[in-house]
Amino acid sequence: NAGVTQTPKFRVLKTGQSMTLLCAQDMNHEYMYWYRQDPGMGLRLIHYSVGEGTTAKGEVPDGYNVSRLKKQNFLLGLESAAPSQTSVYFCASSYSFGQLNTGELFFGEGSRLTVL
Amino acid sequence: AQTVTQSQPEMSVQEAETVTLSCTYDTSESNYYLFWYKQPPSRQMILVIRQEAYKQQNATENRFSVNFQKAAKSFSLKISDSQLGDTAMYFCAFYYLTNSGYALNFGKGTSLLVTP
Repeated sequence: NAGVTQTPKFRVLKTGQSMTLLCAQDMNHEYMYWYRQDPGMGLRLIHYSVGEGTTAKGEVPDGYNVSRLKKQNFLLGLESAAPSQTSVYFCASSYSFGQLNTGELFFGEGSRLTVL
Repeated sequence: AQTVTQSQPEMSVQEAETVTLSCTYDTSESNYYLFWYKQPPSRQMILVIRQEAYKQQNATENRFSVNFQKAAKSFSLKISDSQLGDTAMYFCAFYYLTNSGYALNFGKGTSLLVTP
């Protein structure tokens, strides 16, 4: 059981370059989330999706775009990377609210992105 | 905004002792969930314990228990018989309904060190 898989695990970018982080889950979850983790800041929500074809902004959405074309995948894009986007990025997924939803999020292992 | 505050950036406890991590939150919602997640050095996010706001009884999971004070908007985590493997970052989190679905907001975390 793979759970939540993030690709790539590590990446170094130059300022102004673009890249996409891929999150894939095999648990048939409706909800998917992207967080960034910075020292002393905890995890902050960037964007999330409550189902295929839907996206919503979180606490820190500026500079990022997302897409959820397939239920199992949630892509996070940086169009023009900035040093302030150096961070560890976490993807998570969960069931939609209802009988199966305990509110627990299942997390990937994180992707470390450095922007020079 | 649904904010979560952890006022203790770092804590230390001796093995076999008991430690309490504090968390307060701000919300106008009446129905929500609260969580404690653990992040060991491996960076993996691990669910420790969950509390439904409508339940008056405090949640317990083995050595982990919470003191949930809804009126005071307080949600502390007590770790009994601390073990070296409990060394980790601990995040308090608040799960709530937005206009776009459910989202999870985290506090900034408490770094717990368990010493022999």
